[in-house]
Amino acid sequence: ELKVEQNPLFLSMQEGKNYTIYCNYSTTSDRLYWYRQDPGKSLESLFVLLSNGAVKQEGRLMASLDTKARLSTLHITAAVHDLSATYFCVCSNTGNQFYFGTGTSLTVIP
Amino acid sequence: DTAVSQTPKYLVTQMGNDKSIKCEQNLGHDTMYWYKQDSKKFLKIMFSYNNKELIINETVPNRFSPKSPDKAHLNLHINSLELGDSAVYFCASSLLTGARGVQETQYFGPGTRLLVL
Repeated sequence: ELKVEQNPLFLSMQEGKNYTIYCNYSTTSDRLYWYRQDPGKSLESLFVLLSNGAVKQEGRLMASLDTKARLSTLHITAAVHDLSATYFCVCSNTGNQFYFGTGTSLTVIP
Repeated sequence: DTAVSQTPKYLVTQMGNDKSIKCEQNLGHDTMYWYKQDSKKFLKIMFSYNNKELIINETVPNRFSPKSPDKAHLNLHINSLELGDSAVYFCASSLLTGARGVQETQYFGPGTRLLVL
């Protein structure tokens, strides 16, 4: 079974700072997704990464994928309070299964 | 215009009762899922249906029974509710594509917050 590990589990960072969330997965994955969940809300897709070296950026968030290292990163640049949420790394492979990481709860403080 | 909808959004009930949660998607997807999110926000898949056929049935008590009347609907019925069933239940849908059968991005419903007293 594909296992997905994220770290850190909890992250408290100051506004304006940069930080990276790491996602390691145990076996081959066809696709890697990053989702965001605001407190008390549903999950929203942020990025889907399909191939080795893929990089996607949206605003202050940038996601990358290294399939050889089985590693994806979500980099936060100049954090703002609106980015406070839980971020999930999710892998999928052939079939109907999605494998969720434990989530990283991010709090951005003034 | 809601892509994936769930009813009800909140459900407070007594132990031992039977309840149902409904899910509908209007995205034309062929695969639907039920997830349980516990208080630590960990998401656990419960069931998955592809074209009304049960594909994934994780280790879930048989008090939980999914039903998919058509591709756009996946309902969850829970018998004899227990305290430990209290959680947020998310419905999701996606589209199976490509020759190798890979799922596209999942879209999630708003969640149903179940509290068993």
